[in-house]
Amino acid sequence: DAKTTQPTSMDCAEGRAANLPCNHSTISGNEYVYWYRQIHSQGPQYIIHGLKNNETNEMASLIITEDRKSSTLILPHATLRDTAVYYCIVRGDSNYQLIWGAGTKLIIKP
Amino acid sequence: SQTIHQWPATLVQPVGSPLSLECTVEGTSNPNLYWYRQAAGRGLQLLFYSVGIGQISSEVPQNLSASRPQDRQFILSSKKLLLSDSGFYLCAWSRGTSGRAFGGDTQYFGPGTRLTVL
Repeated sequence: DAKTTQPTSMDCAEGRAANLPCNHSTISGNEYVYWYRQIHSQGPQYIIHGLKNNETNEMASLIITEDRKSSTLILPHATLRDTAVYYCIVRGDSNYQLIWGAGTKLIIKP
Repeated sequence: SQTIHQWPATLVQPVGSPLSLECTVEGTSNPNLYWYRQAAGRGLQLLFYSVGIGQISSEVPQNLSASRPQDRQFILSSKKLLLSDSGFYLCAWSRGTSGRAFGGDTQYFGPGTRLTVL
């Protein structure tokens, strides 16, 4: 079973920041939070991951709460091409498997 | 830079026929390799992973098998397809970690093969 909870769907206006929440209340100390997205009929695309600290790269920012029980993926300036299903995944050591939930369908509107 | 290829992109096969899907990775050595399946509207399910040539671990019992004949080649096979084998098959790679799983070990996915069994 997925160890994360995400909203089923979200809308965001083009050019605005898209903030995607994820709850992972049972996360343990050595487990990482990963974000991927999947555009229809394509393979998942890696976005970002983190353990404890907030992370930023060219695609997005990841904000992890101090207790690590939730996180937020931020797309700073959403474009129509960011419309996709976004998956939040928790993964620990000693486990090769990424356990996928249903994700959040993000729709960017003009 | 590293790239991952899968073929074919789409495949329609009759029930009971054999299957062979291929995945190759370029630009890295001794990667960990993975096969996932995605049912319509669902998340991905890990089928097999490999930490080296000839080393295959199965996560889900089924009529599929995997092989790794070369360092950067991963093959998914079946002798007789079932209707339930239909789905989107994805290959992924991550940097080799000497046979250990590492939580910060990012997996990168290929474009996928959409299989329809009729």
